[in-house]
Amino acid sequence: QKEVEQNSGPLSVPEGAIASLNCTYSDRVSQSFFWYRQYSGKSPELIMSIYSNGDKEDGRFTAQLNKASQYVSLLIRDSQPSDSATYLCAVGYNNNDMRFGAGTRLTVKP
Amino acid sequence: SQTIHQWPATLVQPVGSPLSLECTVEGTSNPNLYWYRQAAGRGLQLLFYSVGIGQISSEVPQNLSASRPQDRQFILSSKKLLLSDSGFYLCAWGLVGTQYFGPGTRLLVL
Repeated sequence: QKEVEQNSGPLSVPEGAIASLNCTYSDRVSQSFFWYRQYSGKSPELIMSIYSNGDKEDGRFTAQLNKASQYVSLLIRDSQPSDSATYLCAVGYNNNDMRFGAGTRLTVKP
Repeated sequence: SQTIHQWPATLVQPVGSPLSLECTVEGTSNPNLYWYRQAAGRGLQLLFYSVGIGQISSEVPQNLSASRPQDRQFILSSKKLLLSDSGFYLCAWGLVGTQYFGPGTRLLVL
């Protein structure tokens, strides 16, 4: 069973703080890991991908992967009100399959 | 660059009526194509995916079907809609594991 688990939230952080979003997955053969941002009423938008253990940074976003613990996280530094959205964790497999978590709703308060 | 289109953007249909949603991709050849459904406040449910013309894999048995008549065209259909078919339908294209979503079609079945 390929399962991806996320805390549904809502997660509330003040503007300028670090938001930490977490995701666990069940299948050890998972090959690739993604974070999508979905604004209310809109489609998901890819913001980060990570394929190997460790950290990957892109601007204010840092994705962290620990395959031994089957854990992937997303850190958002200097959070802005415009970061308020639902963040979807996704896990990819070799056969072009991708499984999504239910998402964590983030609210950044001014 | 690649662009993915979906139409219509919104649709209100009576129970028992047929459905046809269309998705087209520009700027790439032989992409993997996917149909997802997202119920209100829920995660993404993979409905169908296709790795080539005429090749459709179904993830969930239901009253929906999909077809891929051309390389960059993916169609989702139903002969008779159910109330439970309401949701946000998302088409995605992918290459090398990553998936990118179209704008989506919001379907309300009454």
